[in-house]
Amino acid sequence: DADVTQTPRNRITKTGKRIMLECSQTKGHDRMYWYRQDPGLGLRLIYYSFDVKDINKGEISDGYSVSRQAQAKFSLSLESAIPNQTALYFCATGTGSNQPQHFGDGTRLSIL
Amino acid sequence: AQSVTQLGSHVSVSEGALVLLRCNYSSSVPPYLFWYVQYPNQGLQLLLKYTSAATLVKGINGFEAEFKKSETSFHLTKPSAHMSDAAEYFCAVSKFQGAQKLVFGQGTRLTINP
Repeated sequence: DADVTQTPRNRITKTGKRIMLECSQTKGHDRMYWYRQDPGLGLRLIYYSFDVKDINKGEISDGYSVSRQAQAKFSLSLESAIPNQTALYFCATGTGSNQPQHFGDGTRLSIL
Repeated sequence: AQSVTQLGSHVSVSEGALVLLRCNYSSSVPPYLFWYVQYPNQGLQLLLKYTSAATLVKGINGFEAEFKKSETSFHLTKPSAHMSDAAEYFCAVSKFQGAQKLVFGQGTRLTINP
């Protein structure tokens, strides 16, 4: 079983809809992250959380919100989706600055 | 602020040839540096990391990278390319202290020609 699981893997939806992407992990890591990947831009940080009561904005948080329901669960919401939020979204977990982050397989989101 | 620049969005080499993927970083404090690989329809996998120990770092699948502080570089190399190395590669930097936030380069797509 995957250590970091993202659902759904693919989603097509319409402008204005509310979308939730979910991430769960079995690695026991405290830190969780949401990134989006766009061609030619690499990965950009949307939100991150160091524990259940700690939520922080990343570099591109506008239009997104998150919820850390438990140590193992971190969800990303788009309250009113717009086409320029079409991207590949990744969840990751980590333990510290000198340790690598561990990534899920991604959610491909298309907003029409 | 930290940043990462990967020179060349696309690199193409022949099977058996040297692979060189370039990464330059800027950081006001000693950095941690990482190379990740992304195969189609998959997430990112760690290739190797530099965390202030040896400057030449060996990773998986025959890849290695050398940290050069004077050049602020962390280039990724592999002596002999294999078809299975075709993927996208990302360089990332993290601060030595403080919040663990990775800053990624824009990625380099590696194509291997038979």
